[in-house]
Amino acid sequence: KQEVTQIPAALSVPEGENLVLNCSFTDSAIYNLQWFRQDPGKGLTSLLLIQSSQREQTSGRLNASLDKSSGRSTLYIAASQPGDSATYLCAVGGGNTGKLIFGQGTTLQVKP
Amino acid sequence: DAGVIQSPRHEVTEMGQEVTLRCKPISGHNSLFWYRQTMMRGLELLIYFNNNVPIDDSGMPEDRFSAKMPNASFSTLKIQPSEPRDSAVYFCASSQGGEYGKLFFGSGTQLSVL
Repeated sequence: KQEVTQIPAALSVPEGENLVLNCSFTDSAIYNLQWFRQDPGKGLTSLLLIQSSQREQTSGRLNASLDKSSGRSTLYIAASQPGDSATYLCAVGGGNTGKLIFGQGTTLQVKP
Repeated sequence: DAGVIQSPRHEVTEMGQEVTLRCKPISGHNSLFWYRQTMMRGLELLIYFNNNVPIDDSGMPEDRFSAKMPNASFSTLKIQPSEPRDSAVYFCASSQGGEYGKLFFGSGTQLSVL
């Protein structure tokens, strides 16, 4: 059974700091991995999608990497801003279940 | 495009009542998903439609839950009868690439069953 874990559950950093969010998964037979952002009381917004054949994807200040063999992905946020404060979730597609499995998320607070 | 539209945004009902949640996916998307989010269990897939046909409903918790997609632009999730443990945020999402495509989520329906 695919399990997706995100550590830490919460993170607080000062504005301007570069930071890394972690996602690990137990079944490496994945189709892709997606990173989402969720603001309080809102739905999820897709940030980056990495296919299983890819190593990383970049969008602006965000960079996501994927290491299938070790079952890990990281989301790197450069020069963090207060507007980056949100919960970040990773989701893995494929594996034994064939479903998109979500982690519990990391809640990020960027202090001005 | 207005994105995925869900209604109502909030629903408060009493135990035993019927609840109907509605979703309009993004035009042109061929896949629609219903998710439930709670603090305890996180985000769970309830059911997934592809081209209006239910593909995977293994996440539907009980027979009290049912979902329909009569056409490409509308879906409903019904709970009858509702119970307090059904209280959660219910999200609808759509994609062009099936279950592994980029997902676009609606703003969700906050359901409270008293």
